[in-house]
Amino acid sequence: EVQLLESGGGLVQPGGSLRLSCRASGFIFKNYAMTWVRQAPGTGLEWVSAISGGGDDTYYADSGKGRFTISRDNSKNTVHLQMNSLRGEDTAVYYCAKDNGAVGATGGAFDIWGQGTMVTVSS
Amino acid sequence: SYELTQAPSVSVSPGQTATITCSGDELGDKYASWYQQKPGQSPLLVIYEDRMRPSGIPDRFSGSNSGNTATLTISGTQAMDEADYYCQAWDSNTGVFGGGTRLTVL
Repeated sequence: EVQLLESGGGLVQPGGSLRLSCRASGFIFKNYAMTWVRQAPGTGLEWVSAISGGGDDTYYADSGKGRFTISRDNSKNTVHLQMNSLRGEDTAVYYCAKDNGAVGATGGAFDIWGQGTMVTVSS
Repeated sequence: SYELTQAPSVSVSPGQTATITCSGDELGDKYASWYQQKPGQSPLLVIYEDRMRPSGIPDRFSGSNSGNTATLTISGTQAMDEADYYCQAWDSNTGVFGGGTRLTVL
């Protein structure tokens, strides 16, 4: 079964850091780009970051540039999102999603989603 | 930055056709995808590459994309189709979502 399982969310103070992880199973992980998408309470979806299958290419929304770092470990079928200098507006459910685009490339649709992990930034 | 615009809400009677639109500058030159999200659930891909349906998505869901507008059409809308729908595209290696449309079936 194709599955994504996020972890690492929680409560963090403003200015703090958090590392989210997403473990994949059921598909050849290295062949697919991966994306993080977030959803603040009661609002819509916001694309956060993406990484190519090999990990060489990374992309960020303006909201996370300079603060967020996406990475992947293909030996462990895992993608990470390191979030630093967190702000209240980063409070959201964070989803990882598989990109169904050309082998290893970003730019496709997100055909598999995890269940999400909640990040709350508050003092 | 690139923006996709959706109407906040659409209402449809059961059995009728629901049309949800997404507008963006020269959107027709990009691939549009559509996601369905029900309360408390993760999003579900229902249309990709403008008009392709993933396995398991009923054929009452269809899509098109031309000019500045992508359209999701749900024919013979059922109560189970009530959800939030989001369009999505890529621009300059950045993913972009529309603000979402709440489909009410009444």
